[in-house]
Amino acid sequence: AQSVTQLGSHVSVSEGALVLLRCNYSSSVPPYLFWYVQYPNQGLQLLLKYTSAATLVKGINGFEAEFKKSETSFHLTKPSAHMRDAAEYFCAVSVGSNTGKLIFGQGTTLQVKP
Amino acid sequence: DTGVSQDPRHKITKRGQNVTFRCDPISEHNRLYWYRQTLGQGPEFLTYFQNEAQLEKSRLLSDRFSAERPKGSFSTLEIQRTEQGDSAMYLCASSPGGGTANYGYTFGSGTRLTVV
Repeated sequence: AQSVTQLGSHVSVSEGALVLLRCNYSSSVPPYLFWYVQYPNQGLQLLLKYTSAATLVKGINGFEAEFKKSETSFHLTKPSAHMRDAAEYFCAVSVGSNTGKLIFGQGTTLQVKP
Repeated sequence: DTGVSQDPRHKITKRGQNVTFRCDPISEHNRLYWYRQTLGQGPEFLTYFQNEAQLEKSRLLSDRFSAERPKGSFSTLEIQRTEQGDSAMYLCASSPGGGTANYGYTFGSGTRLTVV
């Protein structure tokens, strides 16, 4: 069965600092992995996705993530945080079999301090 | 293409009342998904449709919940005899379907339900 674990429910960084949000997955099949961002009282917006092509995936707003099979990880990074990056971030894995159903992690709230 | 639309954005209801939410997917998308998100948690899968056919339902979807997509376009999610535990954000998403369904999809802004 597929599952996702996000390490750290809250992460706080200073503006301009590196952002690192951690995600580890468990999957019995080659996974499709996703990062979504959610702003207050909004739905989820797709940041980036890994679909078995390049292991380093670039997304919107300067974010990127690297798929590491040996570590079963898909951590999200951004070199320099902006105030507008403050939001909740969710890692998700597709259960496969073409259902499109996603299993989400618990989420990580990113705080950006001026 | 205006994205995925959900109505209403907010709903406050008294315990025991019935509520219905609507979702309008992206027009060319034949897959439609419903998720529920409680405070501090990630979204949890409820059900999905391929065109008008409801292909899977989560155990989270009790008998009080029913979802329809009568013409393969918009969908409704009804909750009967609401309980306080039903308070959550209900999210709808759509995708083109087939193998690309595994490539992620577009979410609406959600309907926040508060049961008092």
